[in-house]
Amino acid sequence: NAGVTQTPKFQVLKTGQSMTLQCAQDMNHEYMSWYRQDPGMGLRLIHYSVGAGITDQGEVPNGYNVSRSTTEDFPLRLLSAAPSQTSVYFCASSYQASGRMRFFGPGTRLTVL
Amino acid sequence: QKEVEQDPGPLSVPEGAIVSLNCTYSNSAFQYFMWYRQYSRKGPELLMYTYSSGNKEDGRFTAQVDKSSKYISLFIRDSQPSDSATYLCAMSAHYGGSQGNLIFGKGTKLSVKP
Repeated sequence: NAGVTQTPKFQVLKTGQSMTLQCAQDMNHEYMSWYRQDPGMGLRLIHYSVGAGITDQGEVPNGYNVSRSTTEDFPLRLLSAAPSQTSVYFCASSYQASGRMRFFGPGTRLTVL
Repeated sequence: QKEVEQDPGPLSVPEGAIVSLNCTYSNSAFQYFMWYRQYSRKGPELLMYTYSSGNKEDGRFTAQVDKSSKYISLFIRDSQPSDSATYLCAMSAHYGGSQGNLIFGKGTKLSVKP
């Protein structure tokens, strides 16, 4: 069991570039989500998915897209990177039936210049 | 007012001390309460999970929920240097659907000195 994996671990982008942050889990979890963590702001929910083909917005969705074509994968796309998107991004998953005990990935550190 | 308030610290204690970490919240619909521990440059890991009011103990850790006061606490007994981390409280309203999304506090940074 690899748990929740995220790639890349680090990324530097220029303003206006696009990229996809990858997230995968091998625990057959229905629920997956993306958070960003900024100093002094805590963890804020970007997007989440309650199952394959179903996604919804969280607290801070602007500038990000998601899709969920399989149970295992939940990629996060930055359409046109901005310096305000410099952050640490965490993917998390959990069993739908057992509530919200999230398992978090190791994070992706993104810097937008 | 944010839904979940948590003193960011930092909090520094000597080894062996009892540590008390707290969060207050404003949404009376919250029913599920969690504490996560996050080591530097790592993802959060679930430490304690409590439903509704009451206490839950796991080794050196005790979680308390007081829904009447909208106040939750995490106690760490006999603190160790390995407990040095940021502790995040999190809570949600419902078991499923969008209301089940977690709302996090900002985290309290704890340092336990040998």
